[in-house]
Amino acid sequence: AQSVTQPDIHITVSEGASLELRCNYSYGATPYLFWYVQSPGQGLQLLLKYFSGDTLVQGIKGFEAEFKRSQSSFNLRKPSVHWSDAAEYFCALTGANNLFFGTGTRLTVIP
Amino acid sequence: DGGITQSPKYLFRKEGQNVTLSCEQNLNHDAMYWYRQDPGQGLRLIYYSQIVNDFQKGDIAEGYSVSREKKESFPLTVTSAQKNPTAFYLCASRPGAGTGELFFGEGSRLTVL
Repeated sequence: AQSVTQPDIHITVSEGASLELRCNYSYGATPYLFWYVQSPGQGLQLLLKYFSGDTLVQGIKGFEAEFKRSQSSFNLRKPSVHWSDAAEYFCALTGANNLFFGTGTRLTVIP
Repeated sequence: DGGITQSPKYLFRKEGQNVTLSCEQNLNHDAMYWYRQDPGQGLRLIYYSQIVNDFQKGDIAEGYSVSREKKESFPLTVTSAQKNPTAFYLCASRPGAGTGELFFGEGSRLTVL
Protein backbone atom coordinates (compact mmCIF):
# COMPACT_ATOMS: atom_id res chain seq x y z
CA ALA A 1 0.00 0.00 0.00
CA GLN A 2 1.12 3.52 -0.70
CA SER A 3 2.11 5.73 2.20
CA VAL A 4 4.13 8.81 3.00
CA THR A 5 5.90 9.44 6.30
CA GLN A 6 7.21 12.76 7.51
CA PRO A 7 9.03 11.91 10.74
CA ASP A 8 9.40 15.47 11.99
CA ILE A 9 6.24 17.15 13.23
CA HIS A 10 7.91 20.47 14.00
CA ILE A 11 11.33 21.91 13.14
CA THR A 12 12.83 25.18 14.29
CA VAL A 13 15.74 26.78 12.48
CA SER A 14 17.48 30.11 12.64
CA GLU A 15 17.16 32.49 9.75
CA GLY A 16 20.07 31.92 7.38
CA ALA A 17 20.63 28.35 8.49
CA SER A 18 20.26 25.38 6.19
CA LEU A 19 17.14 23.22 6.22
CA GLU A 20 16.34 19.61 5.50
CA LEU A 21 12.83 18.17 5.83
CA ARG A 22 12.54 14.42 5.69
CA CYS A 23 10.10 12.37 3.66
CA ASN A 24 9.94 8.61 3.31
CA TYR A 25 7.54 6.78 1.05
CA SER A 26 6.24 3.32 0.40
CA TYR A 27 5.21 2.46 -3.14
CA GLY A 28 5.49 -0.62 -5.32
CA ALA A 29 6.53 1.09 -8.53
CA THR A 30 8.43 4.21 -9.54
CA PRO A 31 6.80 6.98 -7.55
CA TYR A 32 5.75 10.42 -8.58
CA LEU A 33 6.65 12.64 -5.62
CA PHE A 34 5.79 16.17 -4.64
CA TRP A 35 6.50 18.78 -1.99
CA TYR A 36 3.86 21.36 -1.14
CA VAL A 37 3.94 24.36 1.19
CA GLN A 38 0.99 25.78 3.10
CA SER A 39 0.77 29.11 4.91
CA PRO A 40 -1.77 29.34 7.75
CA GLY A 41 -5.35 29.37 6.52
CA GLN A 42 -4.30 29.00 2.89
CA GLY A 43 -4.30 26.35 0.23
CA LEU A 44 -1.29 24.29 -0.79
CA GLN A 45 1.31 25.54 -3.25
CA LEU A 46 3.54 23.18 -5.21
CA LEU A 47 7.24 23.62 -4.47
CA LEU A 48 8.63 20.89 -6.72
CA LYS A 49 7.95 17.49 -8.19
CA TYR A 50 9.82 14.37 -9.26
CA PHE A 51 8.59 12.15 -12.05
CA SER A 52 11.75 10.64 -13.52
CA GLY A 53 15.24 11.50 -14.67
CA ASP A 54 17.63 13.59 -12.60
CA THR A 55 17.20 12.65 -8.97
CA LEU A 56 17.97 16.19 -7.77
CA VAL A 57 15.07 18.46 -8.61
CA GLN A 58 14.91 22.20 -8.26
CA GLY A 59 11.82 24.03 -7.20
CA ILE A 60 10.54 27.48 -6.46
CA LYS A 61 11.74 29.74 -3.65
CA GLY A 62 15.22 28.19 -3.68
CA PHE A 63 14.12 24.72 -2.59
CA GLU A 64 15.47 21.47 -3.92
CA ALA A 65 14.80 17.81 -3.21
CA GLU A 66 16.70 14.63 -3.82
CA PHE A 67 15.06 11.32 -4.72
CA LYS A 68 16.89 8.33 -3.28
CA ARG A 69 15.32 5.08 -4.36
CA SER A 70 17.56 2.94 -2.14
CA GLN A 71 16.36 4.82 0.93
CA SER A 72 12.77 5.41 -0.26
CA SER A 73 13.30 9.06 0.54
CA PHE A 74 12.59 12.42 -1.02
CA ASN A 75 14.02 15.00 1.37
CA LEU A 76 13.52 18.71 0.87
CA ARG A 77 16.44 21.09 1.34
CA LYS A 78 17.22 24.77 1.31
CA PRO A 79 20.70 26.19 1.88
CA SER A 80 19.62 29.37 3.67
CA VAL A 81 16.22 29.79 5.26
CA HIS A 82 14.33 33.08 5.19
CA TRP A 83 11.75 34.18 7.75
CA SER A 84 9.09 33.95 5.03
CA ASP A 85 9.72 30.19 4.75
CA ALA A 86 7.88 29.62 8.03
CA ALA A 87 4.93 27.43 7.03
CA GLU A 88 3.79 23.83 6.94
CA TYR A 89 5.35 21.49 4.40
CA PHE A 90 3.75 18.39 2.96
CA CYS A 91 5.32 15.56 1.03
CA ALA A 92 2.99 13.68 -1.32
CA LEU A 93 2.99 10.58 -3.49
CA THR A 94 0.71 9.96 -6.43
CA GLY A 95 -1.49 6.88 -6.47
CA ALA A 96 -3.82 5.60 -9.13
CA ASN A 97 -6.61 8.03 -8.33
CA ASN A 98 -5.29 10.70 -5.99
CA LEU A 99 -2.31 11.94 -4.02
CA PHE A 100 -1.29 10.50 -0.64
CA PHE A 101 -0.03 13.12 1.77
CA GLY A 102 2.23 12.94 4.76
CA THR A 103 1.08 14.51 8.01
CA GLY A 104 3.22 17.57 7.43
CA THR A 105 6.18 19.29 9.07
CA ARG A 106 5.71 22.70 10.61
CA LEU A 107 8.71 24.97 10.15
CA THR A 108 9.41 27.80 12.57
CA VAL A 109 12.12 30.31 11.68
CA ILE A 110 13.71 32.31 14.48
CA PRO A 111 15.60 35.58 13.89
CA ASP B 1 -6.16 34.03 -14.29
CA GLY B 2 -6.91 30.32 -14.17
CA GLY B 3 -7.44 28.74 -10.82
CA ILE B 4 -9.70 27.17 -8.26
CA THR B 5 -12.16 29.22 -6.28
CA GLN B 6 -13.63 27.97 -3.02
CA SER B 7 -16.44 29.70 -1.17
CA PRO B 8 -17.19 30.66 1.44
CA LYS B 9 -13.81 30.99 3.11
CA TYR B 10 -15.38 30.88 6.58
CA LEU B 11 -18.65 29.22 7.48
CA PHE B 12 -20.43 28.69 10.77
CA ARG B 13 -23.15 26.13 11.16
CA LYS B 14 -25.39 24.93 13.93
CA GLU B 15 -25.48 21.26 14.75
CA GLY B 16 -28.01 19.37 12.67
CA GLN B 17 -27.73 21.62 9.64
CA ASN B 18 -26.43 20.67 6.24
CA VAL B 19 -23.98 23.02 4.56
CA THR B 20 -22.61 23.13 1.01
CA LEU B 21 -19.10 24.25 0.13
CA SER B 22 -18.54 25.53 -3.38
CA CYS B 23 -15.58 24.67 -5.61
CA GLU B 24 -15.20 26.09 -9.11
CA GLN B 25 -12.25 25.71 -11.47
CA ASN B 26 -11.47 27.30 -14.82
CA LEU B 27 -8.41 25.18 -15.57
CA ASN B 28 -10.32 22.78 -17.82
CA HIS B 29 -9.29 19.91 -15.55
CA ASP B 30 -11.17 16.63 -15.66
CA ALA B 31 -10.35 15.44 -12.14
CA MET B 32 -11.45 17.18 -8.97
CA TYR B 33 -10.96 16.31 -5.30
CA TRP B 34 -12.11 17.23 -1.81
CA TYR B 35 -9.77 16.88 1.15
CA ARG B 36 -10.31 17.47 4.83
CA GLN B 37 -7.48 18.84 6.92
CA ASP B 38 -7.23 18.54 10.70
CA PRO B 39 -4.22 19.57 12.78
CA GLY B 40 -1.57 16.86 12.86
CA GLN B 41 -3.44 14.59 10.45
CA GLY B 42 -2.42 15.90 7.08
CA LEU B 43 -4.93 15.79 4.24
CA ARG B 44 -7.54 13.07 4.03
CA LEU B 45 -9.49 12.37 0.86
CA ILE B 46 -13.27 12.73 1.09
CA TYR B 47 -14.45 12.34 -2.51
CA TYR B 48 -13.00 12.60 -5.97
CA SER B 49 -14.35 12.85 -9.48
CA GLN B 50 -12.49 11.89 -12.61
CA ILE B 51 -15.15 12.98 -15.07
CA VAL B 52 -18.49 14.75 -15.19
CA ASN B 53 -21.40 12.82 -13.68
CA ASP B 54 -19.09 10.39 -11.93
CA PHE B 55 -17.50 10.46 -8.48
CA GLN B 56 -15.95 8.06 -6.02
CA LYS B 57 -15.70 7.86 -2.25
CA GLY B 58 -12.38 8.55 -0.65
CA ASP B 59 -11.13 7.46 2.74
CA ILE B 60 -13.55 9.47 4.88
CA ALA B 61 -16.73 9.88 2.80
CA GLU B 62 -19.24 9.15 5.58
CA GLY B 63 -21.39 12.17 6.33
CA TYR B 64 -20.49 13.94 3.08
CA SER B 65 -22.02 14.09 -0.38
CA VAL B 66 -20.93 15.58 -3.71
CA SER B 67 -22.17 16.16 -7.23
CA ARG B 68 -20.39 16.73 -10.53
CA GLU B 69 -22.94 18.06 -13.01
CA LYS B 70 -20.47 20.37 -14.73
CA LYS B 71 -16.79 20.02 -15.45
CA GLU B 72 -16.05 23.28 -13.67
CA SER B 73 -17.93 22.60 -10.45
CA PHE B 74 -17.63 20.06 -7.63
CA PRO B 75 -19.65 21.14 -4.58
CA LEU B 76 -19.34 19.33 -1.26
CA THR B 77 -22.24 19.00 1.16
CA VAL B 78 -21.44 18.37 4.79
CA THR B 79 -24.52 16.68 6.17
CA SER B 80 -25.83 16.47 9.71
CA ALA B 81 -24.64 12.85 9.74
CA GLN B 82 -21.01 13.98 9.85
CA LYS B 83 -20.07 13.52 13.50
CA ASN B 84 -17.21 16.01 13.68
CA PRO B 85 -17.50 18.45 10.79
CA THR B 86 -15.39 21.31 12.14
CA ALA B 87 -12.33 21.34 9.89
CA PHE B 88 -10.54 23.02 7.02
CA TYR B 89 -11.72 21.78 3.63
CA LEU B 90 -9.58 21.91 0.51
CA CYS B 91 -10.69 21.46 -3.08
CA ALA B 92 -8.17 20.49 -5.74
CA SER B 93 -8.02 19.55 -9.40
CA ARG B 94 -5.68 18.16 -11.98
CA PRO B 95 -5.87 17.54 -15.73
CA GLY B 96 -6.72 13.84 -15.40
CA ALA B 97 -6.72 11.07 -12.85
CA GLY B 98 -3.22 9.78 -12.21
CA THR B 99 -1.52 12.63 -14.01
CA GLY B 100 0.65 15.13 -12.29
CA GLU B 101 0.25 17.44 -9.39
CA LEU B 102 -2.87 18.76 -7.76
CA PHE B 103 -3.81 22.42 -7.93
CA PHE B 104 -5.48 23.66 -4.76
CA GLY B 105 -8.03 26.27 -3.84
CA GLU B 106 -7.60 28.53 -0.82
CA GLY B 107 -9.76 26.39 1.42
CA SER B 108 -12.95 26.77 3.44
CA ARG B 109 -13.02 26.66 7.21
CA LEU B 110 -16.20 25.20 8.66
CA THR B 111 -17.00 25.64 12.31
CA VAL B 112 -19.95 23.92 13.93
CA LEU B 113 -21.35 25.80 16.88
